[in-house]
Amino acid sequence: EPEVTQTPSHQVTQMGQEVILRCVPISNHLYFYWYRQILGQKVEFLVSFYNNEISEKSEIFDDQFSVERPDGSNFTLKIRSTKLEDSAMYFCASSGEGGPNQPQHFGDGTRLSIL
Amino acid sequence: AQSVTQLDSHVSVSEGTPVLLRCNYSSSYSPSLFWYVQHPNKGLQLLLKYTSAATLVKGINGFEAEFKKSETSFHLTKPSAHMSDAAEYFCVVSLNQAGTALIFGKGTTLSVSS
Repeated sequence: EPEVTQTPSHQVTQMGQEVILRCVPISNHLYFYWYRQILGQKVEFLVSFYNNEISEKSEIFDDQFSVERPDGSNFTLKIRSTKLEDSAMYFCASSGEGGPNQPQHFGDGTRLSIL
Repeated sequence: AQSVTQLDSHVSVSEGTPVLLRCNYSSSYSPSLFWYVQHPNKGLQLLLKYTSAATLVKGINGFEAEFKKSETSFHLTKPSAHMSDAAEYFCVVSLNQAGTALIFGKGTTLSVSS
């Protein structure tokens, strides 16, 4: 069965540095998403992306964050000037269509640790 | 506004006994509801989904959930727990009718003892 793959599985970065988290969504999917889960807290929606633009974003997704689909297969989340509170598990997801009948398929996540 | 409340942060059962994980939702329109499971150090796997078809939804691994509009509930059940069911379970509602974002509950940790 096709899977969403995320790299790296664990990223350690110094505070203030930029980090890029990478995702390869399922190949025929059209909608892409990022979520994060701070340790001990619930999974939070960050952003959804369709047709090369952001279709929805949460309050968390401020100017520090950006997303990009640089080629036909990758979907990236960039965090500029990282802060300690950005430490979390970041999940990428994709779905075939934006309608509620199409569930989102998640990757295994990237654990981001900011030192 | 859309929201979900998982009523138990931790549920413990014995192997072979029934499982009940409770979830209540709030929605300003007919919701799409999901249950996801997360095993340690793994991603989120879809167990089942409700999207206004049958109110009793069957999912993978013997799980099912019943949508009850009058009670605004979407509880997850399984007749007989297995050790491999031990994991974190999330009740999820779609943020909007387009389904472009999901709102997660806080999660319920299911422990299964032999």
